[in-house]
This record gives sequence, C-alpha cells and structure tokens, in this order.
Amino acid sequence: NAGVTQTPKFQVLKTGQSMTLQCAQDMNHEYMSWYRQDPGMGLRLIHYSVGAGITDQGEVPNGYNVSRSTTEDFPLRLLSAAPSQTSVYFCASRIGDPTDTQYFGPGTRLTVL
Amino acid sequence: SQKIEQNSEALNIQEGKTATLTCNYTNYSPAYLQWYRQDPGRGPVFLLLIRENEKEKRKERLKVTFDTTLKQSLFHITASQPADSATYLCAQSYSSASKIIFGSGTRLSIRP
Repeated sequence: NAGVTQTPKFQVLKTGQSMTLQCAQDMNHEYMSWYRQDPGMGLRLIHYSVGAGITDQGEVPNGYNVSRSTTEDFPLRLLSAAPSQTSVYFCASRIGDPTDTQYFGPGTRLTVL
Repeated sequence: SQKIEQNSEALNIQEGKTATLTCNYTNYSPAYLQWYRQDPGRGPVFLLLIRENEKEKRKERLKVTFDTTLKQSLFHITASQPADSATYLCAQSYSSASKIIFGSGTRLSIRP
C-alpha cells in the first residue's frame, strides 16, 4: 500500500490564482480530512469527509472547497489564493471510528505571493 | 468552543531522564485523547489513544494518562533518547463527532 499520498509537494501561487491540492489513499478508508499547519498554531482542521459524497467544515473552512466523489480521493481547492493561505497542508485518513489510527500524508508546502 | 492546549512550546531534557508533556482541554471532557509524533518536514504519526474512562495507557517506553478532574493528559517518555527528539501533538475527539482537533504541539529535545 502507498498509504496517503499528496501532490504536489511544493507550490508557489500568486494572489488570486486557483489550484487544487490532491490527496489519495489506497487503504479503503471512509474518513478523510485536510489540515493546515502554521508555526506555533499546530494543525487546524479545514474540511473533512466521512465517506464518498459527504463533506463537512472544520475549524478554518473559509477560502477552501472540497468534494468526495470516490472513496480514494479528497481534493482541496483554493478558488482565489491569498497570502494568508501560505501554509503546509496535510491530508489524513482513517477507517472511520474516532478510535481508528489516523494516517497522514507527507504534506504540501504552499506559498502565496 | 472546545480548545486543547499544550502549554509548553519546547522542552529540553537530558538523555536517560523521563520527558513529561502536558495537554489541557477546556469545558467538557473529550471521549478520546490522542498523541502523535511529528518529525521536521513530515506528517504526524499516531502513537497512542486513551479513552475518557481509562486512567493510563502504555506502549513500550511511552505512557499516557487522562485526568478528567484536572482536564489534562500527560505524555511520558521514559529512558529518553536523542532519537525521541521531535514535536509531539495531542488531539481530542468526541464519540458523537468525527472531527479530531489538535493542540499546537511541544517540541522535545533530548540532549546526549
């Protein structure tokens, strides 16, 4: 198993540009989530999904969209990038229950100029 | 809103000593507290989970406690080694929700 994969690893955007961060898992996990990590602020939950076709907002959803058309993929879309979205983004997945082990991807480092 | 806090940004201890990290939560008790390790440039890795009705959980040199009176979880690494140097994150979740909310982390450094 490849586990949780994220692409790209690094990205530089200009203010106002749009892009999609990709996340995929091959473990047949129902639950997937996106976090952003900023210095001194730990991981903050952006959006999560409990299964294909179901998504919900986390702590900091503004400026981000998600969809879950398949169990494997959970892309994160930035419609109009802002400098405040400069961060490291992590995708995570688990089978379903909150007690299941959560696996994280390697992260995407995004810089918005 | 529920918050989870790790009061120490950084902790430096001597090799061989026990490292103790603290995680505090506000308001009502989470059903589960989790601890993760994160190395620079990498995603977090799950270490341990403790349930609200459990006082203590162990895994090799790691021990986690859950004190609902103090609204606190302690994470211990016994016989610490330089290889234990990393950032440690605690996280809370509730049985009625799927979200896992993280604290800001404590950077642990073990000096030889």
